[in-house]
Amino acid sequence: GIQVEQSPPDLILQEGANSTLRCNFSDSVNNLQWFHQNPWGQLINLFYIPSGTKQNGRLSATTVATERYSLLYISSSQTTDSGVYFCGTGGGADGLTFGKGTHLIIQP
Amino acid sequence: EAGVAQSPRYKIIEKRQSVAFWCNPISGHATLYWYQQILGQGPKLLIQFQNNGVVDDSQLPKDRFSAERLKGVDSTLKIQPAKLEDSAVYLCASSLSANEQYFGPGTRLTVT
Repeated sequence: GIQVEQSPPDLILQEGANSTLRCNFSDSVNNLQWFHQNPWGQLINLFYIPSGTKQNGRLSATTVATERYSLLYISSSQTTDSGVYFCGTGGGADGLTFGKGTHLIIQP
Repeated sequence: EAGVAQSPRYKIIEKRQSVAFWCNPISGHATLYWYQQILGQGPKLLIQFQNNGVVDDSQLPKDRFSAERLKGVDSTLKIQPAKLEDSAVYLCASSLSANEQYFGPGTRLTVT
């Protein structure tokens, strides 16, 4: 099956800093999503991005499918950005395979 | 539009007891997924339904886990008997077709 690796596993930044989270996957995929897991455990959809680039406010994401990686950019970090970020990938309607996540801590 | 609903939100049981979780997907979403998330890990797919048929249950421990989706809408996931290692968050997700999945708030299970 698909292998998904996320890096870095942990990231501590000061408020206002920028960050880049990476997701590498081992096979071609038709579905790639980025999520933020809130403190109550719910996965909040950030981007559905099997290829290309998208932006939503301070967040943007880029997936280079031919090179099998995706990047999530967070600019001007806020304390509310803290939490665990997951990348999930799969083939079309298949279930997602997730990485182990990046634990982001934004300090005031 | 209402999101994916799950209940209960929390459950504590003793090992060897049984437990059931309920999921109501987003209206019109034909595909429903159950995932298990153990602390410190990413979610892992347990079973996938397309309408009321099973598409993929290759990672479901069938000796103790079962799931059904009657009438192609709501779904229940059951564990019987529970083991300590079943302590996890159980997440339900749904999608309209071969694209974006939306997750419910999850059920946090503790087996003592």
